[in-house]
Order: sequence, then C-alpha cells, then structure tokens
Amino acid sequence: DIQMTQSPSSVSASVGDRVTITCRASQGISSWLAWYQQKPGKAPKLLIYAASSLQSGVPSRFSGSGSGTDFTLTISSLQPEDFATYYCQQANSFLLTFGGGTKVEIK
Amino acid sequence: EVQLVESGGGLVKPGGSLRLSCAASGFTFSSYSMNWVRQAPGKGLEWVSSISSSSSYIYYADSVKGRFTISRDNAKNSLYLQMNSLRAEDTAVYYCARTQGGYPPIYYFDYWGQGTLVTVSS
Repeated sequence: DIQMTQSPSSVSASVGDRVTITCRASQGISSWLAWYQQKPGKAPKLLIYAASSLQSGVPSRFSGSGSGTDFTLTISSLQPEDFATYYCQQANSFLLTFGGGTKVEIK
Repeated sequence: EVQLVESGGGLVKPGGSLRLSCAASGFTFSSYSMNWVRQAPGKGLEWVSSISSSSSYIYYADSVKGRFTISRDNAKNSLYLQMNSLRAEDTAVYYCARTQGGYPPIYYFDYWGQGTLVTVSS
C-alpha cells in the first residue's frame, strides 16, 4: 500500500497569510494526486487534481505542485472561508489512500 | 446539477448487516465509476470501495474485503454497499462519491453525497 503523510497536522494562520501544506507518498505516484477541503459536518470538496490542476469553480488562490513523492498545496492569501481540514489522496494505484489531514485554524 | 443522496445508515449490532444506497441524478450515471469513502467520528477519510461504470472492475480496501460488497444498477441510477459482519470499527459516516470523468478513469472524487452515519454498537 502507498502511505500518504501530511505535514503539519495543524497550522494556525491569519487572514491574508500564505499557507503551505505538504504531502509525501511512500513511493512514487507520478502526478496522481488530489487535494480536498473539508469543513465540519460537510462532505469533502475536490480542490486540485493531477497534482496541479485546479478543479472548476475553485478560487485561484489555491495551487498545487509536485510530482513523484513530494507534493504541496498552497493557499496564497488565506480567506475566512478557507479555515478547514485539507486532505491529499493518491490515485496512482489501488488501494487508494488519503493523508491524515491538516487542520487550518484561525490564529 | 449533480446530486448524490445516500440512505440506509443506522444503528446495528456487531456481526449484523446493513445495505447502503446512493441515488444519483444530474449526470449520466452509467458513464462514471463510483466509490464509497468513510470517515470515523473525529478521524480522517478512508477509501472503502470502487466500481467501474459497467461493474467490470471492483476494488476494496483490505479492511472490508470479504465483508462488504459494492454494486450498482445503472437503470436505477443507484449505487449500493452491502455490509456484512459489521464491527465496531466500521462505525463511520459513509460517503458516496463520483469518480472524475474521463477514460480510463482516474480515481479523483469530484462530487460527494452528504453522507449517511453507520453506528455499530451493542
């Protein structure tokens, strides 16, 4: 199985801050990686797929980069509605796996 | 508008069974692979199972293999998850999710239902 490790597990930030979340795969997954945002009591929402492609309707302040084993999600200027938990997911092979999540909290 | 609506969750005793359903609308259901993803209370996301558009390919997480069965009825625009031999650790919100379009499918989940809670407890 491919293990996905996210860091940090939580981050405190202020509105307007630049936030970067890292996801590392236990083996190479090319660019087969997605990022999701989840707010409390809600279903996850797809933000980024194929490591760097922005899902339709997602604000351009979200961006993704990386390939192989190391990936990042960047929020260029944090907005109040961005406080949530973020998950990465590898789609390289079954069994599909998610990272443990990164909670972005208000500072 | 794409809609996925899960149903069938509830309280069940250990060793019991439950069948979840997901009613799909707003897209050509028969053209998309579909998935179940679960989330235990206060925990992260866990992929459970996937099924291709024509049911030719089916995949399961090791944690549910041999106990859960995914299926679909394209005529009824519905996805199912039959869960047998349930354990306390199966307690979770179960989400139905659509695989992003394209062929061959790449298993990113672009639409999700609201989830249905399954509680396994005596």
